[in-house]
Amino acid sequence: ENVLTQSPGTLSLSPGERAVLSCRASQRVSNSNLAWYQQKPGQAPRLLVYGAVNRVTGVPDRFSGSASGTDFTLTISRLEPEDFALYFCHQYGSASFTFGQGTKLEIK
Amino acid sequence: QMQLQQSGPGLLKPSQTLSLTCAISGDNVSSNRATWNWIRQSPSRGLEWLGWTYYRSKWYNGSAEFVKTRIVIYPDTSKNQVSLLLNSVTPDDTALYFCARGEPRALGDWGPGTLVTVSS
Repeated sequence: ENVLTQSPGTLSLSPGERAVLSCRASQRVSNSNLAWYQQKPGQAPRLLVYGAVNRVTGVPDRFSGSASGTDFTLTISRLEPEDFALYFCHQYGSASFTFGQGTKLEIK
Repeated sequence: QMQLQQSGPGLLKPSQTLSLTCAISGDNVSSNRATWNWIRQSPSRGLEWLGWTYYRSKWYNGSAEFVKTRIVIYPDTSKNQVSLLLNSVTPDDTALYFCARGEPRALGDWGPGTLVTVSS
């Protein structure tokens, strides 16, 4: 199983600041088959980025994804109040998909 | 517009079979581009992918190792829906269950979730 480890567990920042969320895979993720999701309380996850770097249509361009080997990063360039939420990474490169445990982005 | 509407009982006793349905609108369960997934979420284990079904000239399905002996995911083309069966449930199966559409693998559309509680 490809275990995804997200860090930090909680990130406390202020609106306007830059957020960097990390996701490390225990094995290679084939074809950069990694996605990022945002989840707000009482809602289902929302797909933000797929293929490690491709932003979903309609997602603000302050969200960007990057990859380096087994390390993946979601960057939010300037935090807006609506960005404070839970974020998950998800690998779908193997026969069995796995998710990271999540990073909670909270207002400082 | 793509919508997934979930239905099924929210309370089960241990050893019973969990049965959930995901009604699809805005796409066809037999689409050659989509996959139909079931995922669950709990505070103790986070998000867990359970399995999927999809059509590529014939039907395929797959499931996570930890549930593969207990799970069935199947389409109903006449009703344009996909269903989940999970048998021999225990309290460890208590979770919020989601169906989701893969495009074909990243999960772009999700149902609202069904809270399933297993308790005697």
